[in-house]
Amino acid sequence: DLQMTQSPSSLSASVGDRVTITCRASQGISSFLAWYQQKPGKVPNLLIYGASTLQSGVPSRFSGSGSGTDFTLTISSLQPEDVATYYCQKYNSAPRTFGQGTKVEIK
Amino acid sequence: QVQLQQWGAGLLKPSETLSLTCAVYGGSFNLYYWTWIRQPPGKGLEWIGEINYSGSINYNPSLESRVTISLDTPKNQFSLKLTSMTAADTAVYFCARGRYSSTWSLIDYWGQGTLVTVSS
Repeated sequence: DLQMTQSPSSLSASVGDRVTITCRASQGISSFLAWYQQKPGKVPNLLIYGASTLQSGVPSRFSGSGSGTDFTLTISSLQPEDVATYYCQKYNSAPRTFGQGTKVEIK
Repeated sequence: QVQLQQWGAGLLKPSETLSLTCAVYGGSFNLYYWTWIRQPPGKGLEWIGEINYSGSINYNPSLESRVTISLDTPKNQFSLKLTSMTAADTAVYFCARGRYSSTWSLIDYWGQGTLVTVSS
């Protein structure tokens, strides 16, 4: 089955820093890539779908890019409330596999 | 406003069967894939499977031999059964809604999650 690989697995950055997380699919998935944010003890929240479309209500400091096999989630200016684990998921076909997650912390 | 409310037994013994139900409030029941996802403590998300109103069902190949997802359309509910539970199945189980077209399905609403612990 298709694998989704995220990197890094964790990162620590300062408030205001630009943060980039990558997600690589083992086969092409066009733009059927979503990003979710999961804060500690909470339910995952959809941030981006279609690789680059921001879900309604999500701050504009979040952006996504990529297509095919390589994708990126960028936080343009990291805020304290962005501390969370971020997951990519391919949703073009079943099984709709998640990446292993990237934990983002404040330095 | 869409709400997914889930329930089921939270403590199971090895070899028992997990049974969870998710009730959907708000929105149409007919237009979505109804999905189960799990998350072992401290670990990542694992997609379990999905079902839609037409009866189309997809399962994670790693769980397919033990999992059944079903719909109760009159009650706007869907259910998960996972047999032969072991400690490795200990996880928070989420129900979720996926909007879909053709073969793609994007999860946009989640239930609150149910912690299921398998222990003798």
